[in-house]
Amino acid sequence: GAVVSQHPSRVICKSGTSVKIECRSLDFQATTMFWYRQFPKKSLMLMATSNEGSKATYEQGVEKDKFLINHASLTLSTLTVTSAHPEDSSFYICSARGGQGFNTEAFFGQGTRLTVV
Amino acid sequence: AQSVTQPDIHITVSEGASLELRCNYSYGATPYLFWYVQSPGQGLQLLLKYFSGDTLVQGIKGFEAEFKRSQSSFNLRKPSVHWSDAAEYFCAVGAAGAQKLVFGQGTRLTINP
Repeated sequence: GAVVSQHPSRVICKSGTSVKIECRSLDFQATTMFWYRQFPKKSLMLMATSNEGSKATYEQGVEKDKFLINHASLTLSTLTVTSAHPEDSSFYICSARGGQGFNTEAFFGQGTRLTVV
Repeated sequence: AQSVTQPDIHITVSEGASLELRCNYSYGATPYLFWYVQSPGQGLQLLLKYFSGDTLVQGIKGFEAEFKRSQSSFNLRKPSVHWSDAAEYFCAVGAAGAQKLVFGQGTRLTINP
C-alpha cells in the first residue's frame, strides 16, 4: 500500500510553546488529509479534514486557533499545536487519501506522541 | 449521524484459537464498513472493507468479516490466531457522500501462548 510518513514520532515540549507535526504522502498525491487525536485506550477522534489548497474543516469542539492545519501541497499537511498545555498531550495521527470517496483507500501515518510538560 | 459500537474492550484468546470481534453500527442507509488494526504506538492498517455485494469479505492476514444488515453488525473473524495478531482493532463506518470515518472505541486483543 501507499506510504504516509508522519514526523516527528515523538515530541516533548514545554507548556506555552508551539509544536508542528508533519504528514507526508510519499508515493501518491493526497487530495484529502485527516487529523485524528487518540486518547489512551480510546478511539480515534477526528479533529479536522483538509483538502489541498482549501481551509480545513474542523469538527465540533475542536479549536481551530489552537490546532492550526495547513495543507499547502498535495503531499504535505501540517498540524501545529499552538501554546500547548499538558492537556494537549496525546497521540496524533494523520491519514491521507488520494481521491474522493471511500473507494479510494485512506492511509495512516504512524502517529506522533506529543507530551507537554 | 452514524456511530459504531465495539462491545468488547479487551479480549484474550489462546494462540491457535478462533477469534470473533464484534462491531455494531448505526446508520440509516447502507454504510461503508471497515476494520483496521493498530499495533502499539503505530498508525492504523486496513484489514478489510465492505461497500456492497458479497456480505462476506476477505481481508489481509487471514481475517474475514461478515456484514449482516438485519443485525447492523460487521463482525471480524479469524479461524486461528497467531501471537502477532495481538493489537488494537477498530471498526469504522463511513457515510455515502461523506469523506470522514467514524471509529468504534476499539477492542484490544491479547494472545495467550
